[in-house]
Amino acid sequence: GQNIDQPTEMTATEGAIVQINCTYQTSGFNGLFWYQQHAGEAPTFLSYNVLDGLEEKGRFSSFLSRSKGYSYLLLKELQMKDSASYLCAVSNDYKLSFGAGTTVTVRA
Amino acid sequence: GAGVSQSPSNKVTEKGKDVELRCDPISGHTALYWYRQRLGQGLEFLIYFQGNSAPDKSGLPSDRFSAERTGESVSTLTIQRTQQEDSAVYLCASSRTEGGLYFGPGTRLTVT
Repeated sequence: GQNIDQPTEMTATEGAIVQINCTYQTSGFNGLFWYQQHAGEAPTFLSYNVLDGLEEKGRFSSFLSRSKGYSYLLLKELQMKDSASYLCAVSNDYKLSFGAGTTVTVRA
Repeated sequence: GAGVSQSPSNKVTEKGKDVELRCDPISGHTALYWYRQRLGQGLEFLIYFQGNSAPDKSGLPSDRFSAERTGESVSTLTIQRTQQEDSAVYLCASSRTEGGLYFGPGTRLTVT
């Protein structure tokens, strides 16, 4: 089975840093994705981790530890437009299984 | 096309009616997926196509749900005898290889 956990909500101030954790227990693992989803819109791809370690892409970074079944998404220099839901998804062969998402609210 | 497109964008239907949702994937993407997202919830896997065949239909909630794909492009998701619990956003996604999904804008289905 698939079990992917992430916090439901997080709030942070503009310009700050927020870290969204994701833990997973899955029957197989090929890689871990993070998606961003603004209200009423489709998810858009943010990052993909296959190997352990940190992947940095501009203001967003994603970390993976396969032995711990753990990932985090780090959002730096938060902007108001970063207010959205962030979805952790585990790839097993062809299928992507999603967590319920973390709603991040950025306050001025 | 430039991205995955879905139609209609919104559909309101009466309980008991059938609905058909359409997805046009990115050209050349052999893998196609349907997901369902209920309000405030995560994405629920429905079905996966590789080419025109569907090796995994395990997520279809009941036999009222069916999907097909023709010509390795367009896919339709059909819901028969709709129920109120079918109300959700139905998202289609395509991929050139497994993983790395590109999502369409979704069809918001409301069953009254």
